[in-house]
Amino acid sequence: AQRVTQPEKLLSVFKGAPVELKCNYSYSGSPELFWYVQYSRQRLQLLLRHISRESIKGFTADLNKGETSFHLKKPFAQEEDSAMYYCAAGGTSYGKLTFGQGTILTVHP
Amino acid sequence: DTGVSQNPRHKITKRGQNVTFRCDPISEHNRLYWYRQTLGQGPEFLTYFQNEAQLEKSRLLSDRFSAERPKGSFSTLEIQRTEQGDSAMYLCASSLHGTGGSYGYTFGSGTRLTVV
Repeated sequence: AQRVTQPEKLLSVFKGAPVELKCNYSYSGSPELFWYVQYSRQRLQLLLRHISRESIKGFTADLNKGETSFHLKKPFAQEEDSAMYYCAAGGTSYGKLTFGQGTILTVHP
Repeated sequence: DTGVSQNPRHKITKRGQNVTFRCDPISEHNRLYWYRQTLGQGPEFLTYFQNEAQLEKSRLLSDRFSAERPKGSFSTLEIQRTEQGDSAMYLCASSLHGTGGSYGYTFGSGTRLTVV
C-alpha cells in the first residue's frame, strides 16, 4: 500500500537554527515527491517538487531512494517558516497524491 | 484567474440531509481532485477527474458520495444522507498533468462541513 510517514507531529526550533522535517514513503515504482505548506489561515500550497531540484524560501529536499526518504531541510530557520508541512507522494502516471499526516513547525524568536 | 475557488466556505447541515459543494479549478488545468481532511490528519484522496472523465474513486468513498465534472470545467461533490462522520474539510485541487508527470496541485480554500 502507498504510504507517507511524517514521524514528527510537532517540531520546535529557534530562529537561525537548522531544521529538518522528516518524510519516509512506501510506494511502488518511482514516485514523484512533493512538500506542501500551509501557513496560518491560508490554503495548502506547493513548496517544492523533487523532480525540479529547486530551493524555495531556503528549503531543499533530497530524495534518497535507498532509504525511501524525502526530508525537508533549511539551514537557518526564520519565524515566518512556522507552518504545517505535508509530504506527499504520487505515481508518475497518476495525479493522485498520498499525503503524510503533517508536521507543525514552530520557529521561536 | 484567481486560483481554485470553492463554495460554500462553510456548511452546517442536519444529519440525513443532502449537501453539494462546488469547485472551480484553474481554467488551464486538466485535472481536478477532491480530498477530505479531518483534524490532525493529512488530506485523504476521494476522487479525481481528467477533463470530464472521473478516473479514480477511493474505496473509502461510500455510495452516498458522488462527484461530477460536466464539460470538464467546474466540479460538484454531493453527499447524500449525511452522517456525523462526514464532518470534515473538503478540499478541491487542480493540476496540469502532462507527459512530464504532475506539476503539483493548486488547492482551494476548502469547504468545512459540520453535520449536527
